[in-house]
Amino acid sequence: DTAVSQTPKYLVTQMGNDKSIKCEQNLGHDTMYWYKQDSKKFLKIMFSYNNKELIINETVPNRFSPKSPDKAHLNLHINSLELGDSAVYFCASSQDLALTGHFYGYTFGSGTRLTVV
Amino acid sequence: RKEVEQDPGPFNVPEGATVAFNCTYSNSASQSFFWYRQDCRKEPKLLMSVYSSGNEDGRFTAQLNRASQYISLLIRDSKLSDSATYLCAVAADYKLSFGAGTTVTVRA
Repeated sequence: DTAVSQTPKYLVTQMGNDKSIKCEQNLGHDTMYWYKQDSKKFLKIMFSYNNKELIINETVPNRFSPKSPDKAHLNLHINSLELGDSAVYFCASSQDLALTGHFYGYTFGSGTRLTVV
Repeated sequence: RKEVEQDPGPFNVPEGATVAFNCTYSNSASQSFFWYRQDCRKEPKLLMSVYSSGNEDGRFTAQLNRASQYISLLIRDSKLSDSATYLCAVAADYKLSFGAGTTVTVRA
């Protein structure tokens, strides 16, 4: 009955490889996000999708490509991995602010710890 | 200037002590405010929302000062289990911006 689930939990890969991280939420939320938390513990937003539509795209290298096949899923594909991509990637979801008139914050997945060697 | 700034600490306090810390934000159009708790190598978990009137949840009290653009968190009667990193989060439109976190360590 996990609310926001990410796979894999750990990912160790070599520089130059392409990898994907998957995220699914069963909360019925309309908006999903990808955040990156680096070694300094700073959580920075990368992307957000609302009902499968991209609404936030921060300054992220175009090697990172999000895909949302439906509103319950948001995947992240990373091409040509670099050492600097090593971080913990968190998926999150929230209810649509426009629907509820109030923002209740996010529910986070447990994170994917990516190590590029 | 970062959107959300926090004192990183660490705050090292004995059990039973009171500890308080602040967070400042730069976007005056921010609409919602939260405190999250993050344990080592885990995901952030919502601790509490912060309302203009101030709000309390057990031993935790949060305050919002819109004029000065800061929020605060106070923990009373600290427990060992309160040891964690506390993240301030500020929402504008659909986006939550986080501070880098304040580390609190409660010692026996």
